[in-house]
Amino acid sequence: DIVMTQSPDSLAVSLGERATINCKSSQSFLYSSNNKTYLAWYQQKVGQPPKLLIYWASTRESGVPDRFSGSGSGTDFTLTISSLQAEDVALYYCQQYYTTPHTFGQGTKLEIK
Amino acid sequence: EVQLVESGGGLIQPGGSLRLSCAASGFTFSSYWMHWVRQPPGKGLVWVSRINSDGSSISYADSVKGRFTISRDNAKNTLFLQMNSLRADDTAVYYCARYSSAYHATDNWGQGTLVTVSS
Repeated sequence: DIVMTQSPDSLAVSLGERATINCKSSQSFLYSSNNKTYLAWYQQKVGQPPKLLIYWASTRESGVPDRFSGSGSGTDFTLTISSLQAEDVALYYCQQYYTTPHTFGQGTKLEIK
Repeated sequence: EVQLVESGGGLIQPGGSLRLSCAASGFTFSSYWMHWVRQPPGKGLVWVSRINSDGSSISYADSVKGRFTISRDNAKNTLFLQMNSLRADDTAVYYCARYSSAYHATDNWGQGTLVTVSS
C-alpha cells in the first residue's frame, strides 16, 4: 500500500500569514499516459464532510479561493494557503488515487495563532 | 445540485450486520464510480471501498475485505454497503462520495451516517 505522511500534525498560523502543509508518499504516482499525478487535497471543517480543494496535485476545484494552491511532484507535495482567513480553520487531508487502497494522509489540524 | 444522502447507520452489537444506503440525485448516477470512506470518532479519513459505474469492478480495503460488500442499483440511483461481522473498530461515520473520472478525485460527499458497534 502507498503510505501518505503529512506534516505537521497541527499548525497554528496568524491571520493573513501563510500556512504550509506537506504530504509525502512512499512511492511516486505519476501516470505516464497522461502526465497527471493523482493526488488530491481535502478540507474538513468541524461537523462537515470533506470538501475537495485541489486535484492533480495542483489544480484548484471550481469555487475554491485562489489563496489555496497545491504543488509538488514525485513523492513530495504541498498545500499552501497564502493568507490565512478565519474560515480556513479545519483539518486538511491529502489522498492518492493512483492505486487502491486510496490512502489518505493522517490529517493536519490548522488553527489560528 | 448534486446530493448524496446516506442512511442505515445505528447501534449494532459486535458480530452483527448493517446495510448502508446512499441515495444520489442531481447527476447521472450510472455514469460515475462511487466510493465509501469512513472516519472513526476523532480520527482521520479511511478509504473503505469503491465500485465502477456498472458494478463490474470493485475494490476494498484489507480491513473490510470479506466482511463488507459494495453494490449499486443504477435504476434506483442508490449505492449500498453491506457490512457483516461488525467489530468495534468499524465504529465510524461512513461517507459515500462521487468519484470524478475527469479529475481523478472524489468531488462530492454526503453528510455521512454513524455506525456504532458496541455491546
